[in-house]
Amino acid sequence: EDQVTQSPEALRLQEGESSSLNCSYTVSGLRGLFWYRQDPGKGPEFLFTLYSAGEEKEKERLKATLTKKESFLHITAPKPEDSATYLCAGTGANSKLTFGKGITLSVRP
Amino acid sequence: NAGVMQNPRHLVRRRGQEARLRCSPMKGHSHVYWYRQLPEEGLKFMVYLQKENIIDESGMPKERFSAEFPKEGPSILRIQQVVRGDSAAYFCASSPRGSEQPQHFGDGTRLSIL
Repeated sequence: EDQVTQSPEALRLQEGESSSLNCSYTVSGLRGLFWYRQDPGKGPEFLFTLYSAGEEKEKERLKATLTKKESFLHITAPKPEDSATYLCAGTGANSKLTFGKGITLSVRP
Repeated sequence: NAGVMQNPRHLVRRRGQEARLRCSPMKGHSHVYWYRQLPEEGLKFMVYLQKENIIDESGMPKERFSAEFPKEGPSILRIQQVVRGDSAAYFCASSPRGSEQPQHFGDGTRLSIL
């Protein structure tokens, strides 16, 4: 059975304090690894897709990387508006996403 | 904004009633997915549909739950004879094709069972 595990469950950072969020996955025939951001009361907002080990994607203060077993979301110099829950999900040939439970990030000013 | 539209945003039902949740995919997207999110749990896949076809319903309970995506109109997730355990946020996502294409989500329907 496909499995995605995210750690830590919650992370509190001071504004400007860089850190990384971890996503470990076991997805049969991985076709894509996705990162989403979810704000309270909203649906997940797509951030990145990674397709193969060694791939990296960047957007503003966020950078996502992928290995054969893990993905990392690096947050550089975060701001309070980066506070949200970050979700990792993998898909194989069956097209359905298997999600982790998410990491709740709080950035203090 | 031509994103994924879900309605209603909030739905309250009494035990034993029926709940109908609607999802209009993004323009140009013919693949629709439904997920359920319980408090303190991650999003769980329920069903994957293309126009007029159910592709994968392996995550959907076999009793009381059904889904459709007709040729015309939105996708519908239907829950008959609701029970308290059905209380959750139900999210719809769409993509232009299946497999490795990013899925784009609506803001969900929050279902509460009295």
